[in-house]
Amino acid sequence: GQNIDQPTEMTATEGAIVQINCTYQTSGFNGLFWYQQHAGEAPTFLSYNVLDGLEEKGRFSSFLSRSKGYSYLLLKELQMKDSASYLCAVFGAGNNDMRFGAGTRLTVKP
Amino acid sequence: DGGITQSPKYLFRKEGQNVTLSCEQNLNHDAMYWYRQDPGQGLRLIYYSQIVNDFQKGDIAEGYSVSREKKESFPLTVTSAQKNPTAFYLCASSPTGGALDTQYFGPGTRLTVL
Repeated sequence: GQNIDQPTEMTATEGAIVQINCTYQTSGFNGLFWYQQHAGEAPTFLSYNVLDGLEEKGRFSSFLSRSKGYSYLLLKELQMKDSASYLCAVFGAGNNDMRFGAGTRLTVKP
Repeated sequence: DGGITQSPKYLFRKEGQNVTLSCEQNLNHDAMYWYRQDPGQGLRLIYYSQIVNDFQKGDIAEGYSVSREKKESFPLTVTSAQKNPTAFYLCASSPTGGALDTQYFGPGTRLTVL
């Protein structure tokens, strides 16, 4: 079967660093995406990993290990506006085979 | 401004009525998608279309129908056969539908069936 697992909720403090983990089991792998979604709004693209390693983009970094079926999203210097859900999605083997996790709801506290 | 628009943002319908959700994009993307989002669950694919006049069922197509008569438009009809239609519906598009494409999402339509 296909499975993408993320923690349901996380809480962190403004200015801190938080790591959101994602593990996946899919039929084939062609890339892993992270999206940010504020409540009631559209998901917006954050990052994309296709090869093992770390991709850095300002305050956000994403890591991938294909052999372990594992990724994480690292958010540094947390701001209140980072309070949102973070969706992990894997593009599998077939055409348009994008699978989304349920999302991790991050709350940033002062 | 390039982007994806969905209308309306909120929609209320009585049980047993069909309802059509609109999705328009002016990004010149070939591929378009419809997802459904329920609390505590990931986005689930309803239908997708990689090219005009062609579309494929996703994981939860039962009770839904689509058309793709124009490149920029991909309307979704929620029929009375859909057992639990109340949900947040998201439309997305990507340049070609390939694995290296980022999907861009519209603002969503929250459908409530009374």
